[in-house]
Amino acid sequence: GAVVSQHPSRVICKSGTSVKIECRSLDFQATTMFWYRQFPKQSLMLMATSNEGSKATYEQGVEKDKFLINHASLTLSTLTVTSAHPEDSSFYICSARDLGQGAYGDYEQYFGPGTRLTVT
Amino acid sequence: AQSVTQLDSHVSVSEGTPVLLRCNYSSSYSPSLFWYVQHPNKGLQLLLKYTSAATLVKGINGFEAEFKKSETSFHLTKPSAHMSDAAEYFCVVSDYSKSTFGDGTTLTVKP
Repeated sequence: GAVVSQHPSRVICKSGTSVKIECRSLDFQATTMFWYRQFPKQSLMLMATSNEGSKATYEQGVEKDKFLINHASLTLSTLTVTSAHPEDSSFYICSARDLGQGAYGDYEQYFGPGTRLTVT
Repeated sequence: AQSVTQLDSHVSVSEGTPVLLRCNYSSSYSPSLFWYVQHPNKGLQLLLKYTSAATLVKGINGFEAEFKKSETSFHLTKPSAHMSDAAEYFCVVSDYSKSTFGDGTTLTVKP
């Protein structure tokens, strides 16, 4: 159980175009999903927290107009990188928290396999 | 507020010798603590987690970690390293609002 999928796993796009990445919780409901970015040989950096039915909360320094997040249902969140540029090339990872899990002091997030974005 | 410090950016051991990866944390709440492993160009794999139950936590592949509240530490150990253990390891602290990752420790295993 507790599987999170991401699609696509790899994407190459041209500079100036937009790319959408999907994150799905396959066997549980997630009121909260998180989006991370990882540059080569670096740690994961939280970009934003996505709550179902409300606006995402972005971390300081993350452009909300560039990284559009939509959490339309309890099992799906999407990240759209608008007008992508080469510096946006990175490994994007989503995670999801099971509904009601935190009541037991368990704050585990289930991570997707990641999406490697290359902007040419 | 919460933070994580992984005290070693690189650790090198010989195959068959013990592994120790050190992690200190701070949190305003009673957090959950995790260790993840990431092999090159792969996603994250959960090794083990602490969620306010037993302070000695056993995980997969022979790894274990001990939660020490007085020292605010959550060090990861393994009695005998295998070549397949070579990877990047992340210590993570989580509360109700978010997770914070350490900078990572690169484990090298020499034959």
